[in-house]
Amino acid sequence: DAGITQSPRYKITETGRQVTLMCHQTWSHSYMFWYRQDLGHGLRLIYYSAAADITDKGEVPDGYVVSRSKTENFPLTLESATRSQTSVYFCASSGGSGESYNEQFFGPGTRLTVL
Amino acid sequence: QQPVQSPQAVILREGEDAVINCSSSKALYSVHWYRQKHGEAPVFLMILLKGGEQKGHDKISASFNEKKQQSSLYLTASQLSYSGTYFCGTESSPGYQKVTFGTGTKLQVIP
Repeated sequence: DAGITQSPRYKITETGRQVTLMCHQTWSHSYMFWYRQDLGHGLRLIYYSAAADITDKGEVPDGYVVSRSKTENFPLTLESATRSQTSVYFCASSGGSGESYNEQFFGPGTRLTVL
Repeated sequence: QQPVQSPQAVILREGEDAVINCSSSKALYSVHWYRQKHGEAPVFLMILLKGGEQKGHDKISASFNEKKQQSSLYLTASQLSYSGTYFCGTESSPGYQKVTFGTGTKLQVIP
């Protein structure tokens, strides 16, 4: 499918487990981002990537790990999930051609619940 | 630090106008505006790259005052489809497209 996809769309896990959220885009965009969305906080940047093998921390990186070995994939791993990581996670990409260069395209989101 | 948006919420009747403000404590390179409908992903509306620039998108336009580190989003003759949460996002420097989003303004348009 063309565009940006996330999997799974819904996930329930337990405290202490490792969880990986997947993000895949088909546009070959250079930039990719992970955000979490919580009531009252809006969208907060967890990690971002400017290209394959180039990643950097955002505002709230603690407890998360990312990798980007291929341009199209940007997985987010919660090494040991905590209840405070219950949230909706959005992946986004940008870097298209022309006027859309700065536009971030968001995936559909993953709703994660940590029990 | 997240930019501050005001108001936090607003209810409009169809046809009314609204202004949403976004203010940053940092010098800004650009301001982005996104709209998110309930249960959906945010969708890009526009980006303002230059100080004083105004851009338009149908009946939705925005301005960017670089000196005051502020941006405003103007919604004129609101329609039911305008309902949603509006986020401004700011970049302090070019290069990585690293955007810091505000906490959002929830807009509800009623008949």
